[in-house]
Amino acid sequence: NAGVTQTPKFQVLKTGQSMTLQCAQDMNHNSMYWYRQDPGMGLRLIYYSASEGTTDKGEVPNGYNVSRLNKREFSLRLESAAPSQTSVYFCASTPFWLGTGGIQPQHFGDGTRLSIL
Amino acid sequence: QKEVEQNSGPLSVPEGAIASLNCTYSDRGSQSFFWYRQYSGKSPELIMSIYSNGDKEDGRFTAQLNKASQYVSLLIRDSQPSDSATYLCAAGGDSNYQLIWGAGTKLIIKP
Repeated sequence: NAGVTQTPKFQVLKTGQSMTLQCAQDMNHNSMYWYRQDPGMGLRLIYYSASEGTTDKGEVPNGYNVSRLNKREFSLRLESAAPSQTSVYFCASTPFWLGTGGIQPQHFGDGTRLSIL
Repeated sequence: QKEVEQNSGPLSVPEGAIASLNCTYSDRGSQSFFWYRQYSGKSPELIMSIYSNGDKEDGRFTAQLNKASQYVSLLIRDSQPSDSATYLCAAGGDSNYQLIWGAGTKLIIKP
């Protein structure tokens, strides 16, 4: 059971280059998320997809775009990379909403370590 | 602004002792609370989920929730060096799909 798979694991870009981070989950989860984590800081939500066919901005969406390709896959694109986007990027997924009972925990991929020179 | 606050630490605890980690949250509407462990260079790993007031125990871990005080804690009994990590607290945020994350508490278990 692979869980949440992110590719690539490491990437170095030059300022202005573009790239797409890939994420796939095999747990039949409904919701998927992209976070960034900078040294000494918590997780900051970039974008999320509550269900297939929907995407919404999180706390720090500027400079990023996302695509929910199907229920399994959720990609994050940097159109013109900037040094401020150097970070570790995590994809996460969660099953269906519990309704008035709250939300279920998120399951994380191993992360993509991205450096922009 | 919905917030989850944690003491950044480091919290140093002798091996075999009880480690106590604390978290407060600002959104009274939060219903779901989670503790994650994150080793250096690794991704967050779920340790405990808690949804109701009171205590929830799982092995050496106990999560405690007090909604009136907007306070969540994690107790680790018989602490081991392998428990040394950063512990992240998260609370169900202002939508049904998002979590609000604390910045984490770094725990060091000294042999």
